[in-house]
Amino acid sequence: QSALTQPASVSGSPGQSITISCTGTSSDIGGYNSVSWYQQHPGKAPKLMMYDVHYRPSGISNRFSGSKSDNTASLTISGLQTEDEADYYCSSFASSSTNWLFGGGTKLTVL
Amino acid sequence: QVQLQESGPGLVKPSETLSLTCTVSGGSISDYYWSWVRQPPGKGLEWIAYIYYGGTANYNPSLKSRVTISVDTSKSHLSFWLSSVTAADTAVYYCARVPMYYDILTGYSNYYYMDVWGRGTTVTVSS
Repeated sequence: QSALTQPASVSGSPGQSITISCTGTSSDIGGYNSVSWYQQHPGKAPKLMMYDVHYRPSGISNRFSGSKSDNTASLTISGLQTEDEADYYCSSFASSSTNWLFGGGTKLTVL
Repeated sequence: QVQLQESGPGLVKPSETLSLTCTVSGGSISDYYWSWVRQPPGKGLEWIAYIYYGGTANYNPSLKSRVTISVDTSKSHLSFWLSSVTAADTAVYYCARVPMYYDILTGYSNYYYMDVWGRGTTVTVSS
């Protein structure tokens, strides 16, 4: 069981918006702004999509946005495209002994 | 453009020590922290450890007793060792770059995200 909780799957149609949640505790997501998101296509390495909650790396589409409220972080993808279909992982700093956590991953299906 | 390339044996016998290398090209190894992450087949990502060449490593407690990582600036590569492997250690192993910053009060520290990843190397533990 992962320390950060994500839904196993979400789906949407091209052009729609979806949101992936990532729930932790006050010792990780709720206490720090060190939440990041990664996209992973099958057989490929993870790719950084968002860092420090809501900052996009250079080259990442502004269709991707991040936010946080209390112990839950969210990744929103607007204007869904077929190439967005992938697994998405959240990650956060944690003040526990395991100070770098990942979520279990969410499979995004673009119908 | 910095690139990371993991390399390793592919197949390791149970109870043996797994040794991996991550070669860093196109950038300075001393300007960043570096991390190792693994992904068992069909499962999610697991952070293993990170290190800065000028400091000590930080390990996931679940693996700390079996893992050692290091940075070799002269060869521009990272090294990874995992002892007493079992089938549960079968996974794709990734190295990744971690940006850092300098604080006049606390010195060098890392951010908590990985902005460049290697392609990964598959490790199977089997007799």
